[in-house]
Amino acid sequence: GAGVSQSPSNKVTEKGKDVELRCDPISGHTALYWYRQSLGQGLEFLIYFQGNSAPDKSGLPSDRFSAERTGGSVSTLTIQRTQQEDSAVYLCASSSGQPYRSPLHFGNGTRLTVT
Amino acid sequence: DAKTTQPNSMESNEEEPVHLPCNHSTISGTDYIHWYRQLPSQGPEYVIHGLTSNVNNKMASLAIAEDRKSSTLILHRATLRDAAVYYCILRVSMDSSYKLIFGSGTRLLVRP
Repeated sequence: GAGVSQSPSNKVTEKGKDVELRCDPISGHTALYWYRQSLGQGLEFLIYFQGNSAPDKSGLPSDRFSAERTGGSVSTLTIQRTQQEDSAVYLCASSSGQPYRSPLHFGNGTRLTVT
Repeated sequence: DAKTTQPNSMESNEEEPVHLPCNHSTISGTDYIHWYRQLPSQGPEYVIHGLTSNVNNKMASLAIAEDRKSSTLILHRATLRDAAVYYCILRVSMDSSYKLIFGSGTRLLVRP
């Protein structure tokens, strides 16, 4: 079946512009995660959605970052007034079932470059 | 989250077994041990997970020490496609466990 799909795969934007990154999770998966990975670094947790519960936004680095998940499926990560330090690969993942047992399925990410 | 310790890098020859170690001395009784790997230019990929007993699947085997303070991911015959960064992660069995906390992992180099 289809995996997690992210779009666009690459995005180049000018400093100060807003960007939207999209994630289509695996159908039926109730949990959705956003991570980012700077060049040569590990993964940094950003935000987590689980069903209809309030999202865990504790990893968002600033109020310029926001995310929503419509209808329990597609999610959009928005970065306002982008800065050069926002350049990274943004990864989305989804999972089902018990969070500590169910594996996360990752997309291939969106590579964001802020010039 | 409980921490894990892995070597920064390892090398292996193609078609030979690879043993990737992970130390997790502060593991609690209900923490699950998960392994993911990340191939170049891709998102992480789930490999295997276990709690107490050794586990086998199509990709790899997971050997868990009797005291659970360490574990070893075993690739039985390394291929060039197995060259990746391998992450050992503890997932705590409580509501806050949904966050996977990735460390720096072990970069595996496979020589042809």
